[in-house]
Amino acid sequence: DIQMTQSPSTLSASVGDRVTITCRASQSISDWLAWYQQKPGKGPKLLIYKASNLQSGVPSRFSGSGSGTEFTLTISSVQPDDFATYYCQQYNTYPFTFGPGTKVDIK
Amino acid sequence: EMQLLESGGGLVQPGGSLRLSCAASGFTFSGYAMSWVRQAPGKGLEWVSSISGTGIGTYYADSVKGRFTISRDNSKSTLYLQMNSLRAEDTAVYYCAKGAGVIAVAATPDVVFHHWGQGTRVTVSS
Repeated sequence: DIQMTQSPSTLSASVGDRVTITCRASQSISDWLAWYQQKPGKGPKLLIYKASNLQSGVPSRFSGSGSGTEFTLTISSVQPDDFATYYCQQYNTYPFTFGPGTKVDIK
Repeated sequence: EMQLLESGGGLVQPGGSLRLSCAASGFTFSGYAMSWVRQAPGKGLEWVSSISGTGIGTYYADSVKGRFTISRDNSKSTLYLQMNSLRAEDTAVYYCAKGAGVIAVAATPDVVFHHWGQGTRVTVSS
């Protein structure tokens, strides 16, 4: 199975900060990577697919990059609505696997 | 408006069975792959199973293979997960998720989880 790791596990930020989350795959997944945002008690929401494609309706302050084994999710200017947990997920190979999550909280 | 509404969760004893349902609306159900993803209490997300829009292609995590069966009734726009021989480690919130297209093959644009429901809670305990 492809193992996904994320760093950091927790990130404290202030409104307006630039935030970067890193996701690494244990083997190459090309660009078959998605990023999701999850808030407590809610189902996840797709932010980015195929590593760098912004899902319709997602604010442009979110961006994704990377290919192969290393990927990043960047929030250019964190807003109050962005405090949540973020997961990366590979869909290159079954079984699909998720990273352990990065919680972005208020500093 | 696109909507996915899970139901069927509850408390069940180890070794018991449950059938989860996910009622879809707001889109042409048969045109999209569907999946189940679960989240144990306080933990991360775990993919469980996926099915193509036609119902022909099915895929399972090793942890549930042989115990869980994914299926769909396109005439009712409903996705199912039959869960047998339940274990304590199956305790989780179960989410259904809609793909971006009809096939569920890995490394294709269709299979990413474009839209998720709110989940149904399954507790396996004596």
